[in-house]
Amino acid sequence: NAGVTQTPKFQVLKTGQSMTLQCAQDMNHEYMSWYRQDPGMGLRLIHYSVGAGITDQGEVPNGYNVSRSTTEDFPLRLLSAAPSQTSVYFCASSYRTAGELFFGEGSRLTVL
Amino acid sequence: GNSVTQMEGPVTLSEEAFLTINCTYTATGYPSLFWYVQYPGEGLQLLLKATKADDKGSNKGFEATYRKETTSFHLEKGSVQVSDSAVYFCALERGSQGNLIFGKGTKLSVKP
Repeated sequence: NAGVTQTPKFQVLKTGQSMTLQCAQDMNHEYMSWYRQDPGMGLRLIHYSVGAGITDQGEVPNGYNVSRSTTEDFPLRLLSAAPSQTSVYFCASSYRTAGELFFGEGSRLTVL
Repeated sequence: GNSVTQMEGPVTLSEEAFLTINCTYTATGYPSLFWYVQYPGEGLQLLLKATKADDKGSNKGFEATYRKETTSFHLEKGSVQVSDSAVYFCALERGSQGNLIFGKGTKLSVKP
């Protein structure tokens, strides 16, 4: 069982570039979410989705877009990367509500 | 608003020592509470949870009791091992969507 798969694991961008972090889960989970993890800040919710076609903003949504066209996939798009978006990004999913989250291994993004 | 406060780290212990990591919360109502663990280079994984007051969650020798009167959910283990070295996150579930709010994390290092 693959669980939650994130790609890429590492990425370096220049300021202003765009990119998409991919997230896929094979557990038929309805709930999916994206967090960023920064030193001394814990994890902060960027966007989440409670099912295909439904997305909503978390605590820190600015600069990021998401879509949920299938149950399995929940990509995170950075439209114009900024150094403040340097972080480790985690995708997580859950069968129903967010309580028992299954996390991917993370994607480390550096914006120069 | 809802929030989680956990003790600052890092915490360094010798093998077989007793562990306590403090977590207190602010919330309306009685949200579910969680402890997640992050081993080096990995995503977070659920360690234990409690869904109502006086519930005790337990797993892998770790325990935490949902204390409504002190709004606390302290993590304890009687005898830590080197393999317990990780970052531990306290979290609470909020809102109708059940999104999680995480504390900032406490890094535990266990020395042989």
